[in-house]
Amino acid sequence: DIQMTQSPSSLSASVGDRVTITCRASQSISSYLNWYQQKPGKAPKVLIYGASSLQSGVPSRFSGSGSGTDFTLTISGLQPEDSATYYCQQSYGTPYTFGQGTKLEIK
Amino acid sequence: QITLKESGPTLVKPTQTLTLTCTFSGFSITTSGVGVGWIRQPPGKALEWLALIYWDDDKRYSPSLKSRLTITKDTPKDQVVLTMTNMDPVDTATYYCAHRVVVAGTNVWWFDPWGQGTLVTVSS
Repeated sequence: DIQMTQSPSSLSASVGDRVTITCRASQSISSYLNWYQQKPGKAPKVLIYGASSLQSGVPSRFSGSGSGTDFTLTISGLQPEDSATYYCQQSYGTPYTFGQGTKLEIK
Repeated sequence: QITLKESGPTLVKPTQTLTLTCTFSGFSITTSGVGVGWIRQPPGKALEWLALIYWDDDKRYSPSLKSRLTITKDTPKDQVVLTMTNMDPVDTATYYCAHRVVVAGTNVWWFDPWGQGTLVTVSS
C-alpha cells in the first residue's frame, strides 16, 4: 500500500496568513494527488486534483504543487471559512489511500 | 447537477452483514470513465477508501477489507450497493459514496461530489 503522510497534523493561523500543508507519499505517485477540504459534519469537497489543478468554483487562494513523493497545499490569504480539516489522497493505485488529515484552526 | 445519497441501517449488530445503497442522479454509470466509490470515516478519524466500481463493471477493493466487501451496480435504478460482512464495532463510521471524475484521455481522477454520508453504528 502507498502510505500518505501529512504534516502538520494541526495548525493555527490568523486571517490573512499564508498556510502550507505537506503530504508525502511512500513511493512515487507522479501527479496523481488530490486535496479535499472537510468541515465538521459535512462531506469532503475537492479543492485540487492532479496535484496542481484547481477545481472549478474553488477560490484562487488555494493552490497545489509537487510531483513524485512530495506535495503541498497552500492557502494564500487565509479566510475564516477556511477553518476545516484537509486531506490528501493518492489516485495512483489501489488502495486509494488518504492522509491522516490536517486540522486548520483560525485564530 | 450530480447528487448522491447513501441509505441503509443506522445500527447493525456484530457479525451481521451491512448493506448500503448509493442512489445517484445527474450522470450515467454506463458513461465511459465514470465510477462510484465508497469511503468511510470513523468518528473523529481519517477517511478510508473502501471500494470503487467502474462504468464497465470493473471493481477495486481495499486489500485489507476485500474478503468482506462486495460492490455492485444497478444501472436501471441508478444505484450502487456496497455489502460488508461480519461487521464489528470497529466498523462504526460514517459511510460515504462519491462520484469518480476523470480527465478524458488520462488517468487523472478524483471524487466529486460526495454524498452526505450515513452513520452506521455497530453494537449489540
